[in-house]
Amino acid sequence: GNSVTQMEGPVTLSEEAFLTINCTYTATGYPSLFWYVQYPGEGLQLLLKATKADDKGSNKGFEATYRKETTSFHLEKGSVQVSDSAVYFCALSDLGGAQKLVFGQGTRLTINP
Amino acid sequence: KAGVTQTPRYLIKTRGQQVTLSCSPISGHRSVSWYQQTPGQGLQFLFEYFSETQRNKGNFPGRFSGRQFSNSRSEMNVSTLELGDSALYLCASSSVGRNTGELFFGEGSRLTVL
Repeated sequence: GNSVTQMEGPVTLSEEAFLTINCTYTATGYPSLFWYVQYPGEGLQLLLKATKADDKGSNKGFEATYRKETTSFHLEKGSVQVSDSAVYFCALSDLGGAQKLVFGQGTRLTINP
Repeated sequence: KAGVTQTPRYLIKTRGQQVTLSCSPISGHRSVSWYQQTPGQGLQFLFEYFSETQRNKGNFPGRFSGRQFSNSRSEMNVSTLELGDSALYLCASSSVGRNTGELFFGEGSRLTVL
């Protein structure tokens, strides 16, 4: 079945550091890919998405590129802020259901000032 | 625009009891899906409803059920609770069409089974 694997956390960085959170997937066909973020005490919210190969999703300084050849969708940000501290989830849309997402395990990110 | 509202936010039950959780989607959203979040299994899809019909179901036992009303509000029910059902239950709503996969989540209902 479809699955998502993302780097284990927790990840701790200093403010203004470069961030990469790795995400790879296994899927039949060409699913859409997503990054969701869960800030402390809040529900998940969509951070960015890409719907086809070579698409780049971007939002709030974060970027991720849909790489079909490496089945990856790594999340990057050039300069992180304390407010980026959260849990980040990589996900793909299961082609068997329009709104059925398969999530990775989540990566907890802490940014120190 | 009000977000997805879930009630209750916290509840404690004992083994063998049943529980009903409620979800009010964003106004205009007709699709509601439910996810279970646990430290061990992460986020797992339970089911999705659209126009009062279950459109998709995850790999959970029949003790987990749900329904959707004509106003798009949804409930999920877990019968004969087990310790392993302790989790954060998340509801998400979405419009349909080209935004497939763009879900709006509530803050969740945290269930503890003793």
